[in-house]
Amino acid sequence: GAGVSQSPRYKVTKRGQDVALRCDPISGHVSLYWYRQALGQGPEFLTYFNYEAQQDKSGLPNDRFSAERPEGSISTLTIQRTEQRDSAMYRCASSANPVAVRFRGYTFGSGTRLTVV
Amino acid sequence: GDSVTQMEGPVTLSEEAFLTINCTYTATGYPSLFWYVQYPGEGLQLLLKATKADDKGSNKGFEATYRKETTSFHLEKGSVQVSDSAVYFCALSEGEETSGSRLTFGEGTQLTVNP
Repeated sequence: GAGVSQSPRYKVTKRGQDVALRCDPISGHVSLYWYRQALGQGPEFLTYFNYEAQQDKSGLPNDRFSAERPEGSISTLTIQRTEQRDSAMYRCASSANPVAVRFRGYTFGSGTRLTVV
Repeated sequence: GDSVTQMEGPVTLSEEAFLTINCTYTATGYPSLFWYVQYPGEGLQLLLKATKADDKGSNKGFEATYRKETTSFHLEKGSVQVSDSAVYFCALSEGEETSGSRLTFGEGTQLTVNP
């Protein structure tokens, strides 16, 4: 697509439920990134992919968080057994390739606002 | 590890005032530096960038100069408008070899411009 698309825009879930957040990057972009942004804070890195390969998942806070990008395009971030502390804006971004990042930065989607009640 | 420190907000200015938002960084190598902006209700947008020392990034009247000697990338605008009200984030990237192309962000500075 023309931009990075994330869905849903808003998600309210009960504590203990699993949630899946979707990211559709710019068509042809090799690299896809997930970030989490708490209220009043800057985005924090979670994980990233080149094509379908997960290159770095060091930012995932614990094993309840996982991500996949099985066909090298759309990615899903899954949070199992959600907790209130998981409430945040989850942002996806893409880049034409990993080298391009230091020259062009990322293109971000509008984010998914997750609220765990 | 890499880190970015921004001046604390919020910052409130009158229209046509001069703006400076300070940003300093810590990095192991020679990062690229960025300013992103988040307008109310919208996503993060790249405002400007600089990829090497002494480069000046500019866009929409905003400027920032990459100062290696002071490890800084301060954002400036000579005359702000109400429409500049937003949250501004400073960020760096050390590149794929060093940090796997991740961006490291500061905490953001809220700017409000009053008419």
